[in-house]
Amino acid sequence: QKEVEQDPGPLSVPEGAIVSLNCTYSNSAFQYFMWYRQYSRKGPELLMYTYSSGNKEDGRFTAQVDKSSKYISLFIRDSQPSDSATYLCAMSGGSNYKLTFGKGTLLTVNP
Amino acid sequence: DGGITQSPKYLFRKEGQNVTLSCEQNLNHDAMYWYRQDPGQGLRLIYYSQIVNDFQKGDIAEGYSVSREKKESFPLTVTSAQKNPTAFYLCASKQGFTEAFFGQGTRLTVV
Repeated sequence: QKEVEQDPGPLSVPEGAIVSLNCTYSNSAFQYFMWYRQYSRKGPELLMYTYSSGNKEDGRFTAQVDKSSKYISLFIRDSQPSDSATYLCAMSGGSNYKLTFGKGTLLTVNP
Repeated sequence: DGGITQSPKYLFRKEGQNVTLSCEQNLNHDAMYWYRQDPGQGLRLIYYSQIVNDFQKGDIAEGYSVSREKKESFPLTVTSAQKNPTAFYLCASKQGFTEAFFGQGTRLTVV
């Protein structure tokens, strides 16, 4: 079993839709969770960072962490064509600072 | 402006040649990372360094080498032993368990 599982998609939605992106993990030591957005041929940019269970909101983005189920989610409200990108989940914890990534979900928001 | 600078943006390597990718950060972060990204594979960790003059192999270190002589610099050498070096290379840095920040990447192509 991989440490982090993420559905690669692709996911295609109409403009204005609510998007739900998810990752599951198996390592109980993970305590810090991140979501990155990556446009084609660019470096990933940080969207959300959280280290506790529950929800964290930033504009149209909400990150949700459920440590008991080892499950994290990113919700995008009122999705825009500019949200079209690959979304990567990442997490860390335990004895070193190494980041472990999911494979990424390719999202397309159609006008 | 604080950030991570990778150079060059594009690099071409002939068969049997070693090439070095540059990564510089001015965020005063202790930890730096090199990832390789191939289509459909997500980010795979090559090497990481948690402190100056120390580094550890990641999941796919064979055919690569690094050095960490200064806190702000973490160059990656792709040696002739790396048989399939064509990929997108990403450098990142972070401090402790905080979020990681990425450079804009170097696209390496074998010609």
